Formats: sequence, C-alpha cells, structure tokens
Amino acid sequence: AQSVTQLGSHVSVSEGALVLLRCNYSSSVPPYLFWYVQYPNQGLQLLLKYTSAATLVKGINGFEAEFKKSETSFHLTKPSAHMSDAAEYFCAVSDMNTNAGKSTFGDGTTLTVKP
Amino acid sequence: EAQVTQNPRYLITVTGKKLTVTCSQNMNHEYMSWYRQDPGLGLRQIYYSMNVEVTDKGDVPEGYKVSRKEKRNFPLILESPSPNQTSLYFCASSQIAGEPPNEQFFGPGTRLTVL
Repeated sequence: AQSVTQLGSHVSVSEGALVLLRCNYSSSVPPYLFWYVQYPNQGLQLLLKYTSAATLVKGINGFEAEFKKSETSFHLTKPSAHMSDAAEYFCAVSDMNTNAGKSTFGDGTTLTVKP
Repeated sequence: EAQVTQNPRYLITVTGKKLTVTCSQNMNHEYMSWYRQDPGLGLRQIYYSMNVEVTDKGDVPEGYKVSRKEKRNFPLILESPSPNQTSLYFCASSQIAGEPPNEQFFGPGTRLTVL
C-alpha cells in the first residue's frame, strides 16, 4: 500500500522568501513521485517528477524537489516566492510496478504569498 | 491542442436522478482516471482504466460506475446520486508506454452539487 502525507495544509510566506512544502511518502516499492500545482478554478498541472536519475529534481517556475530515501521525503522548495506562486500544491505517488495505475495524492498544501 | 475535456463543467441535480459526466482526451493515452476533490481530503481516486474495456476501482468507488468502450472516452456515471457525492470531479489521462514515470494530464474539473 502506498500513502502520502503533506505536512501543513496551509503555508504562508512573504514575497521573496523561501518556499518549503513538505511531503513524506510510504511505498512498498521504489516510488514514482510527483508534485502538481492547482491554480484557482483550474485542473492540476505537473510541476516536477522524480525519475530516479537524480535525487534533486528541477521543475517549472523555479521549483525543485529533493528525493531523500532515508527520510522517505520529497519536499518541494523555491528560493524566492512570487505572488503568482499562490496556489494549492499536491504531492502524489504511483506504484512503480503499475506505473500510472494506482495513484495516491496528498491532502494538498495551500500556499499564500504575502506582498 | 493536447487536452482533456470534461462536460458539463457545472451541474446541479437532485437526489436519485441519474447523471453522466463525460471525459475525453485527444492524446491517445492508454490510462484514464477519475478523482474527486473535497476540502481537506485532497484528491481521491474513484476509478481508473489501463486501456479499453479494462477498468478498476480506486479508493472511493462506491456509488459510481465507469465504462471504457473507446480509448479516448471515459464517462463517469452516477446511477442514483446522493448529497455526499457533491464534490469537484477531475478526469485525468496518461500514457503507459515509454519510459516511466508518466505524469497525468488533468481536465478542468466538474463541480457537482446534489440537492
């Protein structure tokens, strides 16, 4: 069985500050890990994904995430927040054996960026 | 333009009145899935399909049906809707062939209210 825990349902940062959104996973096999972003009144779109080629993954809009197997974590970071980063962020895990078959999403973290 | 479309985008109905939410993708993806999004609960998978005529239950399948008669379409059927099915629904698709992990592409969502 696989699961995802996102610590903090709401995160608030000032514009220009570091963004850190936390994700811990549980999977019986090496996982496929993803971060998705949902802007207001829109569907989800991919930010980045862990491919096992590198533990530090770079995504769109300046976001990156580091896979730490020992900590079963895949935290999302951005050095400097922008007002346009305000959105809801979801961490997701898929079972490697079934690829996209069974997908589990975290509860989401709403990011607020203050001017 | 590559996309996943859902119809209708908004629907208000009454308890017990059968309804269908359509989902179509133009990317020739093998995999399709339905999710519901509820505040504080993230996205929960309802059903998914790995290919035509192949469907399987997700985490919250009760009260829903799906069919996959054509590769591009994956309708969600509520035979007898109840108020607890009031939610925001997303359809998603993904390729399976090729180098994993394969991200999912999401539709714009359908907001359903059951009175």
